[in-house]
Amino acid sequence: ETGVTQTPRHLVMGMTNKKSLKCEQHLGHNAMYWYKQSAKKPLELMFVYNFKEQTENNSVPSRFSPECPNSSHLFLHLHTLQPEDSALYLCASSQGTSSDTQYFGPGTRLTVL
Amino acid sequence: GQNIDQPTEMTATEGAIVQINCTYQTSGFNGLFWYQQHAGEAPTFLSYNVLDGLEEKGRFSSFLSRSKGYSYLLLKELQMKDSASYLCAVRASDGNNRKLIWGLGTSLAVNP
Repeated sequence: ETGVTQTPRHLVMGMTNKKSLKCEQHLGHNAMYWYKQSAKKPLELMFVYNFKEQTENNSVPSRFSPECPNSSHLFLHLHTLQPEDSALYLCASSQGTSSDTQYFGPGTRLTVL
Repeated sequence: GQNIDQPTEMTATEGAIVQINCTYQTSGFNGLFWYQQHAGEAPTFLSYNVLDGLEEKGRFSSFLSRSKGYSYLLLKELQMKDSASYLCAVRASDGNNRKLIWGLGTSLAVNP
């Protein structure tokens, strides 16, 4: 247990569906991250939030929409996804964003049909 | 550009020692991380090096040479549960931002 939880652990959705991924951290951290992990590719940073404010969006398509209502919770809203979006989506948190160690959740394995 | 290289796969025997290398070419350097990731699970933090030298933590040690852009993770007294992917990540500078650059990971198989 790393102190970061994610739900659901597995998700299968059609291209026309709308779903949301949830992440919660119990570490008292101020920064939260969404990553995409695909086979044979390095971890891809998608979004960064620091004190609930989005500080990075790495050219992520608008079909992925993040939401951070407070420093402990992070959501990723999904709509009209493509099959190539199938991947493991990891949430992480850290005390700050400048030089602190990131702690990861177990991820959501997403399959888009 | 930003680049991190590590071997794709390694195999070792239970009880042995294995060294996983990582070389990097990044703009700026603000520390190097090693993470362990078992299949289907979260990457878990193993070590952090920002100064040259060896950091030892139980059976795991991590070494850094900033002048050579090189690090290694040393695993001693290997156990079957050490079979996992080992990720090397460097905190580099991107303008005013610091961001983690990740390697592809090294898949380690420990055999009996």
